[in-house]
Amino acid sequence: NAGVTQTPKFQVLKTGQSMTLQCAQDMNHNSMYWYRQDPGMGLRLIYYSASEGTTDKGEVPNGYNVSRLNKREFSLRLESAAPSQTSVYFCASHNSGANVLTFGAGSRLTVL
Amino acid sequence: SQELEQSPQSLIVQEGKNLTINCTSSKTLYGLYWYKQKYGEGLIFLMMLQKGGEEKSHEKITAKLDEKKQQSSLHITASQPSHAGIYLCGSQTGANNLFFGTGTRLTVIP
Repeated sequence: NAGVTQTPKFQVLKTGQSMTLQCAQDMNHNSMYWYRQDPGMGLRLIYYSASEGTTDKGEVPNGYNVSRLNKREFSLRLESAAPSQTSVYFCASHNSGANVLTFGAGSRLTVL
Repeated sequence: SQELEQSPQSLIVQEGKNLTINCTSSKTLYGLYWYKQKYGEGLIFLMMLQKGGEEKSHEKITAKLDEKKQQSSLHITASQPSHAGIYLCGSQTGANNLFFGTGTRLTVIP
């Protein structure tokens, strides 16, 4: 049972490049989330998806897009990366019955 | 909007010492979660508290939610190097929005 799987684990981009962070969960969870973690800022919610086909903005959505194409997968896209998007990104899924988030191992992104 | 403030922001303790981390909310908490993050890794769920006055323990870690449900504390007894990491409290606003405090970085010196 893999839980929440994120790819890639590390990525270096140049300003203006685009990329997609992939996330998949095998726990049949309805809700999925993308957070970013920065020093001194804790975890901040970028986007979340309450169910397949729906997405909503979180606290810091600017510069990001998301896609929830099916129940398992929730991707985060940076169309034109900026140095301010250098961060560690975490995907999580939510078991609404137990109200507990399960996190992926994180993706460390550096934008030069 | 609701905010979660954690204190202290960082903590260095000698192995074997007890310690407490606090999480304070500006509004009533309807579910308080404690997570631990090892450096460079993902977050691991520790405990969830829902009822005012509730207290839960796991091994040497005890978490409490006060009666007014606006503050939670995490207490570690006889700390060990394996307890080192970042501790985050989290709470829920609405049906599908979970948010977190800024975290407390714990270092345990052998």
